[in-house]
Amino acid sequence: GAGVSQSPSNKVTEKGKDVELRCDPISGHTALYWYRQSLGQGLEFLIYFQGNSAPDKSGLPSDRFSAERTGGSVSTLTIQRTQQEDSAVYLCASSSRTSGRSGANVLTFGAGSRLTVL
Amino acid sequence: RKEVEQDPGPFNVPEGATVAFNCTYSNSASQSFFWYRQDCRKEPKLLMSVYSSGNEDGRFTAQLNRASQYISLLIRDSKLSDSATYLCVVAVYADGLTFGKGTHLIIQP
Repeated sequence: GAGVSQSPSNKVTEKGKDVELRCDPISGHTALYWYRQSLGQGLEFLIYFQGNSAPDKSGLPSDRFSAERTGGSVSTLTIQRTQQEDSAVYLCASSSRTSGRSGANVLTFGAGSRLTVL
Repeated sequence: RKEVEQDPGPFNVPEGATVAFNCTYSNSASQSFFWYRQDCRKEPKLLMSVYSSGNEDGRFTAQLNRASQYISLLIRDSKLSDSATYLCVVAVYADGLTFGKGTHLIIQP
């Protein structure tokens, strides 16, 4: 697609419920990132995919969080047994990997999924 | 992930003025540097990359000081539309980007 697409744009859920957030990256972009941004805070790295594999899962805050990517394209971030502190905007970004250590990738972000846990 | 620090501001600046802010990073192995801009309740968007020799894009100038481990952003002839949060981004390797918490800039008429 023309840009990074995320759904849902807004999700209100009750504490303890599971939620799934979806990211559809720019066509051809091999790298995909998930970040979380709480109100008034900076971006918190969650996980990064290169193709379908996740070389860096270091940012996932707990085992309630998981993510997968299939077909080198769409990714799903799943939060189980949601807690109020999970309320945030979840941002997905993608980039085309052009090189290894010689240069980092420019990220294109989606508009985010705003999660509110009551 | 290594820390990237920014003055959160807000910086209140009159329209037409020049404003500059810095970002410091702690990992000397950092290789790539960027400034992103984030408008209120919007996603971050790339403003400019930062090159070792410094670079300019219109009214915006970015510089890198590896010895002191900071990057800077200077905005000349500021416009009301420059009001936003400016995020400093540092990468140790190609895929490992760390975002600062941002500097909030308000341009006043």
